[in-house]
Amino acid sequence: DGGITQSPKYLFRKEGQNVTLSCEQNLNHDAMYWYRQDPGQGLRLIYYSQIVNDFQKGDIAEGYSVSREKKESFPLTVTSAQKNPTAFYLCASIPGGHGGELFFGEGSRLTVL
Amino acid sequence: GQNIDQPTEMTATEGAIVQINCTYQTSGFNGLFWYQQHAGEAPTFLSYNVLDGLEEKGRFSSFLSRSKGYSYLLLKELQMKDSASYLCAAMDSNYQLIWGAGTKLIIKP
Repeated sequence: DGGITQSPKYLFRKEGQNVTLSCEQNLNHDAMYWYRQDPGQGLRLIYYSQIVNDFQKGDIAEGYSVSREKKESFPLTVTSAQKNPTAFYLCASIPGGHGGELFFGEGSRLTVL
Repeated sequence: GQNIDQPTEMTATEGAIVQINCTYQTSGFNGLFWYQQHAGEAPTFLSYNVLDGLEEKGRFSSFLSRSKGYSYLLLKELQMKDSASYLCAAMDSNYQLIWGAGTKLIIKP
C-alpha cells in the first residue's frame, strides 16, 4: 500500500550527537515537509521541499538540515546545534507543489538523554 | 501576525454532540483544515473548507465563515474512539499551514 514511512519510531540520543530521521514515501508526491510537535503547541514547520534537489527553511530550521536527492526520500538531520531536540517529529507530503491535504508518516519520537 | 485559537480541552458524553471552535488570523487565506490525532500517532485528515458554509461527512461536519475568521468541527453521536486531539490549521496566501495547538477531546461514558 502507498504511504509514508518514518524511521526509527523511537530514538534516544546523547547530547552532542547528530541523528538522522528517515522519511520515505511511495505516493509519488512532489512536496514533502518536516514538522516538530511539542506538548501544548501547534505543529511547527522545520523544512519543506517542493521538488527534488530544492528545499526551503521553515519557521524553526536552526539546528536542523535536510536533503532531497530523490523524490521519494526527505531525511532530516537533527544536529548538536539544536538546543532542545526532544520532540515528536512528523514527516508529511502532498501530491502537488503546494496546498492540499497533508499525508503524514507515523512520526519519530526523539529523546535526548 | 498569523494566529490560530482553539480551546485546549473539552469534555463530552458518549452519544452526545460536541462543537470545537477555531478562530484564525492569516495573511491571505486558502482554506481551513481539521485533523484528528490520537495520542502518540500522526494526524489524520478530517475536512477541508475553503468556501463559507457547512460540509457534512458522516458523523463529522465542518463549518467556515471567512468574514468572521471562524470555523467549527461538529461531532455527532460521540463514540469513545473519538477521544483524541483535534487540530485546526489555516492555509495562508503562500500555501503554508498555520496550526492551532489542538483541542483535546475527552469522551466520558
